Amino acid sequence: DTGVSQDPRHKITKRGQNVTFRCDPISEHNRLYWYRQTLGQGPEFLTYFQNEAQLEKSRLLSDRFSAERPKGSFSTLEIQRTEQGDSAMYLCASSWGETQYFGPGTRLLVL
Amino acid sequence: AQKVTQAQTEISVVEKEDVTLDCVYETRDTTYYLFWYKQPPSGELVFLIRRNSFDEQNEISGRYSWNFQKSTSSFNFTITASQVVDSAVYFCARTYGGATNKLIFGTGTLLAVQP
Repeated sequence: DTGVSQDPRHKITKRGQNVTFRCDPISEHNRLYWYRQTLGQGPEFLTYFQNEAQLEKSRLLSDRFSAERPKGSFSTLEIQRTEQGDSAMYLCASSWGETQYFGPGTRLLVL
Repeated sequence: AQKVTQAQTEISVVEKEDVTLDCVYETRDTTYYLFWYKQPPSGELVFLIRRNSFDEQNEISGRYSWNFQKSTSSFNFTITASQVVDSAVYFCARTYGGATNKLIFGTGTLLAVQP
């Protein structure tokens, strides 16, 4: 029984570049969430999918951010024209019911 | 604001001591879920427990126990006979915003268990 996986685990990029992260949820979990966590803080909600439909986006998700979940399986989170303020841990979680199970996260550093 | 407050930013104990982590939340919702997650240095959030707002029965699981009091909006977590492996950041969270069950987290409590 595999858990949530995320790729890559670490990403260093230069300001202005685009980056894409991938999340593979626990199989058969229909709900998928993205969160962002900065140093010393708890995770903050970014967006939510139920199957392939993106049903909610946080105001934290600026126009430079886009997320997809084609076919209701894996999800991608893309950040265009990265800024230094985007440096954070990006966490993916999936669930079938109320309990969310988190992946190991992708740590992004924008230089 | 509907927030989750973990007033203890850092706690340091010696192995085998008992330790209680505090969590207080605000909500206008009548139905919600409360959670505790553990985040070790590796970074992955590990689910520990879930409680729904209708279930105030306290629970003990091995060295872990939870005290949910709806009247004071508190959901505290106790580790009995702490071990070095318990060292981590512990987050309290609750669902908000309706059917999506998205989570709002506290700022976490860093627990350091010294040998």
